[in-house]
Amino acid sequence: AQSVTQLDSQVPVFEEAPVELRCNYSSSVSVYLFWYVQYPNQGLQLLLKYLSGSTLVKGINGFEAEFNKSQTSFHLRKPSVHISDTAEYFCAVRGATNKLIFGTGTLLAVQP
Amino acid sequence: DTAVSQTPKYLVTQMGNDKSIKCEQNLGHDTMYWYKQDSKKFLKIMFSYNNKELIINETVPNRFSPKSPDKAHLNLHINSLELGDSAVYFCASSQVGNYGYTFGSGTRLTVV
Repeated sequence: AQSVTQLDSQVPVFEEAPVELRCNYSSSVSVYLFWYVQYPNQGLQLLLKYLSGSTLVKGINGFEAEFNKSQTSFHLRKPSVHISDTAEYFCAVRGATNKLIFGTGTLLAVQP
Repeated sequence: DTAVSQTPKYLVTQMGNDKSIKCEQNLGHDTMYWYKQDSKKFLKIMFSYNNKELIINETVPNRFSPKSPDKAHLNLHINSLELGDSAVYFCASSQVGNYGYTFGSGTRLTVV
């Protein structure tokens, strides 16, 4: 079975600073990895996905993530955050069962 | 033009009532899902239908019954509502080979 761990429940950061949101997964088979963003009182929006190929994946809104198979990680990064990036970020994994399994989420709190 | 739409957006009801949430997708996807997001923002899959056939049925009370009249619609009916059913319910869809899910904006159910 697959699982996802997001160790940080909340990450405070100042505007224009870089940020990294951590995600680790476990699976006995090949997986597909995703990051979703949820703005307050809204649905989930796909930021980026890793299916295969290049381990550095670029997404929307200036975010990128790097797949590291040896460390079973898929950390999300942005070089300079804005106030508008304040949201809940979810890492998710999809494996052989075709179920999308989510982590517990990380609240990115951008402060002026 | 909304890709995955859910109605209603908000639902407040008393314990013991029966209610339904409707979901429609216009993406031509062949698989639809229901997820529950609890008060701690944890997202858990409940059901999945592929071309009107139930393919995922997680450990959910049998008071919850999904129905898919066609591959563009997936409704969720809940009998004898309980306080613990209060949550945000998300509908999603995906297409074989696409791997990512497209989510609706959610239905906030409050049982009083």
